[in-house]
Amino acid sequence: DTGVSQDPRHKITKRGQNVTFRCDPISEHNRLYWYRQTLGQGPEFLTYFQNEAQLEKSRLLSDRFSAERPKGSFSTLEIQRTEQGDSAMYLCASSAGLAGVGPYNEQFFGPGTRLTVL
Amino acid sequence: KNEVEQSPQNLTAQEGEFITINCSYSVGISALHWLQQHPGGGIVSLFMLSSGKKKHGRLIATINIQEKHSSLHITASHPRDSAVYICAVRTGTASKLTFGTGTRLQVTL
Repeated sequence: DTGVSQDPRHKITKRGQNVTFRCDPISEHNRLYWYRQTLGQGPEFLTYFQNEAQLEKSRLLSDRFSAERPKGSFSTLEIQRTEQGDSAMYLCASSAGLAGVGPYNEQFFGPGTRLTVL
Repeated sequence: KNEVEQSPQNLTAQEGEFITINCSYSVGISALHWLQQHPGGGIVSLFMLSSGKKKHGRLIATINIQEKHSSLHITASHPRDSAVYICAVRTGTASKLTFGTGTRLQVTL
């Protein structure tokens, strides 16, 4: 399967614990995005990378959240000291990231990681 | 007021009906996406458009840039079309997408 993959698919944790999610984008896609989706809402942007550089972060991304893409391939999203309000689906997407509005800017989504904080 | 608004929020249709889902946005955009999300979370891109109209099978997407409005049409709806349909926009050279809250479609036999 050459699509975007995410691991784990589900995570249940206790409040105060740290969690880390992984996203493997489509090979050779240079842009990688993290979004968060709470129940009944559309996804909200968290951050994105072009290669290994983190180019934009949302105000939603508090100092408890950190994302990395060290070699410009896979990315990790870590949440420290989880809170119940962090319970959500965390979605990763990738795109080829060329300028313009051609098909290269289409974002391909992974299956998501559903986080439940008890 | 959200930058991207969809209507209706929920839609129930009988198999075979023609369905329209609407999306209005309040900002200038470089592209608009229609996405489909099934239970369990996976999101599939249906269309990306910046003008005019696109068609794929029974799905048709249109956009009117002047009116800041897009529609997604499903012809001859089928129960397997049941899903949440989400409109998302990309503004300027920004890469990130801004999403609507989605339209939950249920197609019954």
